[in-house]
Amino acid sequence: EVQLVESGGGLIQPGGSLRLSCAASGFIFSSYEMNWVRQAPGKGLEWISYISASSSTVYYADSVKGRFTISRDNAKNSLYLQMNSLRAEDTAVYYCARDRPAGGPEYWGQGTLVTVSS
Amino acid sequence: AIQMTQSPSSLSASVGDSVTITCRASQGIRNDLVWYQQKPGKAPKVLIFAASSLQTGVPSRFSGSGSGTEFTLTISSLQPEDFATYYCLQDHNMPWTFGQGTKVDI
Repeated sequence: EVQLVESGGGLIQPGGSLRLSCAASGFIFSSYEMNWVRQAPGKGLEWISYISASSSTVYYADSVKGRFTISRDNAKNSLYLQMNSLRAEDTAVYYCARDRPAGGPEYWGQGTLVTVSS
Repeated sequence: AIQMTQSPSSLSASVGDSVTITCRASQGIRNDLVWYQQKPGKAPKVLIFAASSLQTGVPSRFSGSGSGTEFTLTISSLQPEDFATYYCLQDHNMPWTFGQGTKVDI
């Protein structure tokens, strides 16, 4: 069974940094592309970052480019999101999601809440 | 980036009704479209991929159609557990982009 478990969320002051983690199990992690998707309270889904299986290719949404960094450790079956210079508008539930082969997100974690507030 | 325009933003329906949700892409995306269902406090769940392929385990009352720029999700006989928010996503080009969502309530 595919499982994705996010951790690392919490309350952080504006301008601060946070690192999210996603522990993957139930599939060959090193074979799949991964994403981070977020959802602000009461709002829709926003894709924010993608990483290829080998980490050779990464993409970011304009809203986080230059502030967030996606990475993965295939030996540890883990995905990460380093978030710097956090803003109030980054407040959201952050989901990690595994892509279908040659397609978009298929399996999702349960999400971790990040609240940026003073 | 490809823009996805989803309509309506909300609709009210009754058990047994047939409902249709539409997504329009700002440029042609072949059949590279996914439909998700999301319930409050839960992660999204794939219903349809490649515009019309039913995800394993999803009831057959859900169906998708379309290609190019216009797509529809139809729920043929609404059940109580179908009251949720539905999103489309284009997975044709990076960045992946979602529609704004359609909330289906009673």
